[in-house]
Amino acid sequence: AQTVTQSQPEMSVQEAETVTLSCTYDTSESDYYLFWYKQPPSRQMILVIRQEAYKQQNATENRFSVNFQKAAKSFSLKISDSQLGDAAMYFCALPANAGGTSYGKLTFGQGTILTVHP
Amino acid sequence: NAGVTQTPKFRVLKTGQSMTLLCAQDMNHEYMYWYRQDPGMGLRLIHYSVGEGTTAKGEVPDGYNVSRLKKQNFLLGLESAAPSQTSVYFCASSLGGTQYFGPGTRLLVL
Repeated sequence: AQTVTQSQPEMSVQEAETVTLSCTYDTSESDYYLFWYKQPPSRQMILVIRQEAYKQQNATENRFSVNFQKAAKSFSLKISDSQLGDAAMYFCALPANAGGTSYGKLTFGQGTILTVHP
Repeated sequence: NAGVTQTPKFRVLKTGQSMTLLCAQDMNHEYMYWYRQDPGMGLRLIHYSVGEGTTAKGEVPDGYNVSRLKKQNFLLGLESAAPSQTSVYFCASSLGGTQYFGPGTRLLVL
C-alpha cells in the first residue's frame, strides 16, 4: 500500500525568503505522478505543482519548484520569494495505486501548515 | 465553466438523520471522487467512480453510499448520520491525472 509522510506539521518563513517542505512516500510502482496541493483558509484545494516520475527534470511553476529524488522516494517543495498569500496548509499526494489502474485515486500526506511572517 | 461545484456548503444534522451531498462537474471528466477531511489530517477517499453508472469503495466507505446516474453528477448519501461523520467533504474529478476539487461541504452531526 502507498504511504505519504509529511514530517513537518508546521513551518514558518519570512516574506521574500525561501522555504522547503518535505515529503517522503512509499510505492511499488515505477511510473506515477506526484502532486503538491495548497489549501488556504478558504479550504479550497488548489494544485500547486505536478511531477511525473519518469521525468528526471524537476518540475517548476513560477516561484514553486520540486526536488524529486526517485530512488530516495522524496518529493520536497521549494517556495522562493515567499508571499503572504502563500500561507496555507500544503499537502503532498500520490496516486493510490497498489498495482493495476489507480483511476486517479490519491493518497494524501498529513499536511504542513505554512505561516508567512511579514 | 464552473469546474466542480458542491451543494450544500454547510449543513447541520441530528444523529440518525439522512442527507445527500451533490457534486457536479462540467469538464466532462470520467472519474469522480468523494473525500473527507478531519482536523489535522489529509483527505481520505470515501468512494469513487470511474464512469457513469459505476461506483467503488475507497479507504473509508462505511456509513456512506454513492450514485453516479449521470456523468456530470456524483451523489454522496448518509443514511443515518453519526457524530463521527462530522467532517469537511470534498468532491473531485479527473481524467485520470490531475484532480480538480470542489469548494467543500462542512457537515456537523449533533
